[in-house]
Amino acid sequence: RKEVEQDPGPFNVPEGATVAFNCTYSNSASQSFFWYRQDCRKEPKLLMSVYSSGNEDGRFTAQLNRASQYISLLIRDSKLSDSATYLCVVNPTSGYSTLTFGKGTMLLVSP
Amino acid sequence: NAGVTQTPKFRILKIGQSMTLQCTQDMNHNYMYWYRQDPGMGLKLIYYSVGAGITDKGEVPNGYNVSRSTTEDFPLRLELAAPSQTSVYFCASGGNQPQHFGDGTRLSIL
Repeated sequence: RKEVEQDPGPFNVPEGATVAFNCTYSNSASQSFFWYRQDCRKEPKLLMSVYSSGNEDGRFTAQLNRASQYISLLIRDSKLSDSATYLCVVNPTSGYSTLTFGKGTMLLVSP
Repeated sequence: NAGVTQTPKFRILKIGQSMTLQCTQDMNHNYMYWYRQDPGMGLKLIYYSVGAGITDKGEVPNGYNVSRSTTEDFPLRLELAAPSQTSVYFCASGGNQPQHFGDGTRLSIL
């Protein structure tokens, strides 16, 4: 089983749609979790952290299920500018010494 | 508000040449990282450092070397460039927070 596994893409959705990305991780001792966004030919940028209780930031909602080792990202009311690759990222330790990145899921939002 | 700065942004090398990719950060982060990203693939960790004078291998260290003489700088050295090292290289830094990335160096070896 890969350390961090994401839905294969691309996801093609119309503007205004709701889209969900899923991610599973293999290390049950993983401590913290993040979603990064990467635009084409650009660097990854932190989108949001994922907390055990779930968290929301505007149109974005992240959920964590430790028992199932599963993380999700929900995007409501998709915008053209949401088109990017979304990376699921897991920190296997209590510090931030290394992070494990998933390969990413590409989202294409069309008019 | 510089954050993580990488130079150069683009470079073409011939097989067997050497070069150093520069990375500097102004956030006083202890941790610094080098990743490579091949087309359509995820990030792979090459080397990382948890502080000045300390470096550790990541997933794909072969063909690369690093040094960390100061908190700010973490250069990546390619000694004998090979076509398999054609990639986009990202430097990142982090402290008590997730990593911040530089905008990358696109390296082609022909």
